[in-house]
Amino acid sequence: EAQVTQNPRYLITVTGKKLTVTCSQNMNHEYMSWYRQDPGLGLRQIYYSMNVEVTDKGDVPEGYKVSRKEKRNFPLILESPSPNQTSLYFCASRLGATNTGELFFGEGSRLTVL
Amino acid sequence: KQEVTQIPAALSVPEGENLVLNCSFTDSAIYNLQWFRQDPGKGLTSLLLIQSSQREQTSGRLNASLDKSSGRSTLYIAASQPGDSATYLCVRTGNAGKSTFGDGTTLTVKP
Repeated sequence: EAQVTQNPRYLITVTGKKLTVTCSQNMNHEYMSWYRQDPGLGLRQIYYSMNVEVTDKGDVPEGYKVSRKEKRNFPLILESPSPNQTSLYFCASRLGATNTGELFFGEGSRLTVL
Repeated sequence: KQEVTQIPAALSVPEGENLVLNCSFTDSAIYNLQWFRQDPGKGLTSLLLIQSSQREQTSGRLNASLDKSSGRSTLYIAASQPGDSATYLCVRTGNAGKSTFGDGTTLTVKP
């Protein structure tokens, strides 16, 4: 089944404890992206990747890192989480880097930073 | 800065009504416009994708249109059902992988 898989789905952590949210897609998609969703602010893009070893900042990249060493994986890294990073996170992928084509989303990862 | 606006923010209708959700964007240099549905606490389910060269797409009771010149897309839902209750999001994709979401319209269909 074609899908975007995120882990963990739910996580409670404390300020400053590094964490990684993994994202994997099995559709051989070139483009992958991370978003966060907050009440009243909607979905905002954190980082995106047009292909392996190519990453770019979205609207709200501060406090996050990403890597794209393999085509299928695009982990989101929070080196030193803070409470303002409590949010619902979504990973998405798209077939081509040329902006056409449907975005596919993972189920979401709900992160709470205490 | 690219803005995507969805009106209304919330809508409540009785079952069986036809309804229209609106999405407007400020930059007409668009590659595609995609509509999603999101149930509370859940992920995003893709409904329809309209490429910039297209005017509309249909799937079952859903019809989405795109007018680039006016910067608008509409999602038409025919014969609404309680199961259609959800938040509907539009997302505009433009240059260099940038996708911008609207804030969504929360639809409630009452039996």
